[in-house]
Amino acid sequence: DTGVSQNPRHKITKRGQNVTFRCDPISEHNRLYWYRQTLGQGPEFLTYFQNEAQLEKSRLLSDRFSAERPKGSFSTLEIQRTEQGDSAMYLCASSSGVQVAEAFFGQGTRLTVV
Amino acid sequence: GQQVMQIPQYQHVQEGEDFTTYCNSSTTLSNIQWYKQRPGGHPVFLIQLVKSGEVKKQKRLTFQFGEAKKNSSLHITATQTTDVGTYFCADMNSGYSTLTFGKGTMLLVSP
Repeated sequence: DTGVSQNPRHKITKRGQNVTFRCDPISEHNRLYWYRQTLGQGPEFLTYFQNEAQLEKSRLLSDRFSAERPKGSFSTLEIQRTEQGDSAMYLCASSSGVQVAEAFFGQGTRLTVV
Repeated sequence: GQQVMQIPQYQHVQEGEDFTTYCNSSTTLSNIQWYKQRPGGHPVFLIQLVKSGEVKKQKRLTFQFGEAKKNSSLHITATQTTDVGTYFCADMNSGYSTLTFGKGTMLLVSP
């Protein structure tokens, strides 16, 4: 499968714990995005990487959230000291950004904070 | 920041009826993209509109970009049960660094 891969698919954690999600984009894609989606809402932008550089970060993003993309390949999103309000689907997408900037989304990681 | 509004939030049609969802912004949109998300699934790209007044068709789907680039629409002719899902419009900024989604229109099609 050459699509965007996200792991884990589901994560249940206790409030206050740290969690880390991984995203493996389509191999030739240099653009990588993280989004968060809650029920009944559209995906909400979190952050954007072009290769290994994090170029955009949502102002709504708490400093408990951090993302990395070492070597411009896979990316990780870490949430520290999780809160119940962090419960959501976390979506990763990648794009080649050539002419039509179609974003290919992964299946997402569903986080439940209890 | 950029806000993209979509209406209606929800529509229930009988199979064979037409369906339209509208996307509006108070500011000029850069590039409009449309995505479909099936229940339990992830967003899947449908199309991108770039030019003012642009119209594109994909079989029963017709996409339009307004002349002022402040609105867009998706029209489905003769809906089928396979059209069920949530349709999102999203504004991709010119630097390709952010994709701002509307809240989506959920379409339910009864056989």
